[in-house]
Amino acid sequence: AIQMTQSPSSFSASTGDRVTITCRASQGVRSNLAWYQQKPGKAPKLLIYAASTLQSGVPSRFSGSGSGTDFTLTISYLQSEDFATYYCQQYYIYPLVFGGGTKVEIK
Amino acid sequence: EVKLVESGGGLVQPGGSLRLSCAAAGFSFSSYWMSWVRQAPGKGLEWVANIMQDGREKYYADSVKGRFAISRDNARNSLYLEMNSLRAEDTAVYYCARDSGTDLEYFYLWGQGTLVTVSP
Repeated sequence: AIQMTQSPSSFSASTGDRVTITCRASQGVRSNLAWYQQKPGKAPKLLIYAASTLQSGVPSRFSGSGSGTDFTLTISYLQSEDFATYYCQQYYIYPLVFGGGTKVEIK
Repeated sequence: EVKLVESGGGLVQPGGSLRLSCAAAGFSFSSYWMSWVRQAPGKGLEWVANIMQDGREKYYADSVKGRFAISRDNARNSLYLEMNSLRAEDTAVYYCARDSGTDLEYFYLWGQGTLVTVSP
């Protein structure tokens, strides 16, 4: 099975910061990668699919890039509501696999 | 309103069985692949299984293959997960999720989850 490795696993940031989260696949997944945001006690929310396509209704401060094995999620200007855990997911091949998550905490 | 509502979670002993249900509303249920995704307490997301629109194709994570069975009833707009031979490591919140509608298996819509606890 493909392994999805996110880094860092957690970090602290301040409102207004530009933050980048990395997701690496153990083998190529082309652009078949999605990003989700999850807040405590809530279901995940789709942010980005096809590596860089913003889901409707998601603020434009979120962006995704990459293809093959290396992907990034960038939040250009961190807002208070963005403190959450973020997951990548490959959907290129079964089994579908999520990354381990990156928790963005308030500094 | 477009929504998914899970039910059927609870406390079960190791080796026991449980059946989860997911009721869909507000969209054409029979047009979408459906999945179960779980999350152990304090841990990340794990895809469990999914099922094609008409139920002909099903896929499972290795961790549940042979113990869990996914099914659907399009007439009832419902998705199911039959869980047998449950283990402590199956303890998790189980989410029902719908794909994008393009047969690409990322998850556009999620339920609120139902908690399954496997403990003596």
